[in-house]
Amino acid sequence: QSVLTQPPSVSAAPGQKVTISCSGSSSNIANNYVSWYQHVPGTAPKLLIYENNKRHSGIPDRFSASKSGTSATLDITGLQTGDEADYYCGAWDSSLSAGGFGGGTKLTVL
Amino acid sequence: DVQLVESGGGLVKPGGSLRLSCAASGFNFNAAWMSWVRQAPGKGLEWVGRIKSKGGGETTDYSAPVKGRFSISRDDSKNTIYLQMNSLKTDDTAVYFCTWTGYTYLQSWGQGTLVTVSS
Repeated sequence: QSVLTQPPSVSAAPGQKVTISCSGSSSNIANNYVSWYQHVPGTAPKLLIYENNKRHSGIPDRFSASKSGTSATLDITGLQTGDEADYYCGAWDSSLSAGGFGGGTKLTVL
Repeated sequence: DVQLVESGGGLVKPGGSLRLSCAASGFNFNAAWMSWVRQAPGKGLEWVGRIKSKGGGETTDYSAPVKGRFSISRDDSKNTIYLQMNSLKTDDTAVYFCTWTGYTYLQSWGQGTLVTVSS
């Protein structure tokens, strides 16, 4: 079981917006920074967002994120077919003294 | 440019050992925290462990499934980290990624190396 909970899949049409949720607890999301990663299978995962809402270098502003309490969300606007990938949230878990990821959300751009 | 190149993966029998290496370049390795993440076939990403810099005491942390069996070390003279994996189980079969860790996030990732544990 993953430390964080994400929906298995989301989908939307090109040009539309999609939101991916990430649910955790007081030992991870509520009291630690959240990061988001994009992974196209067979390639190296890529950091999108760090420290809850800061875009990593080179990431377009179509990607944004926020955090509230024990949940976080990643928004992707102006969807492109190239955005099809698996998206993961991550956070440190203070109770486990270990890092953790969500189970991943597969984005399909219809 | 940042480069992380993993090596050492392969086929090993249950109960066996394997040591993975990750050669880093393009950033100040001496000050860097480094982590290992794995992805089992058809599964999501799983955090394995991390090692802090020498300045951070080279402290290590591990996930529960690998604690006591895996250990992470570093050689700053070679810009390399290692993942020593002992008492391997079939559940350890995965692609193992090396990452440059920005304290609370995984900043850059290698391409990964495949470890298969099977009899």
